[in-house]
Amino acid sequence: DSGVTQTPKHLITATGQRVTLRCSPRSGDLSVYWYQQSLDQGLQFLIQYYNGEERAKGNILERFSAQQFPDLHSELNLSSLELGDSALYFCASSVEPSGNTIYFGEGSWLTVV
Amino acid sequence: DAKTTQPPSMDCAEGRAANLPCNHSTISGNEYVYWYRQIHSQGPQYIIHGLKNNETNEMASLIITEDRKSSTLILPHATLRDTAVYYCIVRVPTPSGTYKYIFGTGTRLKVLA
Repeated sequence: DSGVTQTPKHLITATGQRVTLRCSPRSGDLSVYWYQQSLDQGLQFLIQYYNGEERAKGNILERFSAQQFPDLHSELNLSSLELGDSALYFCASSVEPSGNTIYFGEGSWLTVV
Repeated sequence: DAKTTQPPSMDCAEGRAANLPCNHSTISGNEYVYWYRQIHSQGPQYIIHGLKNNETNEMASLIITEDRKSSTLILPHATLRDTAVYYCIVRVPTPSGTYKYIFGTGTRLKVLA
């Protein structure tokens, strides 16, 4: 158990809908990362937050957005969902923005039908 | 961004050492090499990391060549539970002072009884 908690574990939704994935980092960790893992793309870095502020951006679509709240939990919002958004979404956390070592949660399975 | 190259798959007999190679020929002087593994579709699990020197912990050893263009992860006594996809990752600094962990396609290690 890494200490990073993600909810929901599984989610099925229809195309065009919007969903929110939630992540609680490890106790004491200020930095949160989001990754997407689909069958044909491997693990893709989406975005990083540190203490409420966006610090790094990867291959995140404009239909996706994220935020980190004062209690340090983070949410990844996915809107106008397409079939291709079906993937496993991982959250990871680290103590510092330099992320000496990041620890991953167990992921949220999103299926878009 | 520095990229890594790994063999897509490897087999190893149970109880023997598993040696997983990784090429990172474009790595910069301040970029660390990290290894994670992913069992089935669980969250990636941190194994070890290093910059220049060889490193060892309770899970594995990391051997980095002197020119830093390649490294080898060694699992000294592989067990069936070590069957997983192993990712060699270069941690890349971003303009904001944070780091991105760029995952490649990994090596699927199968430990055989």
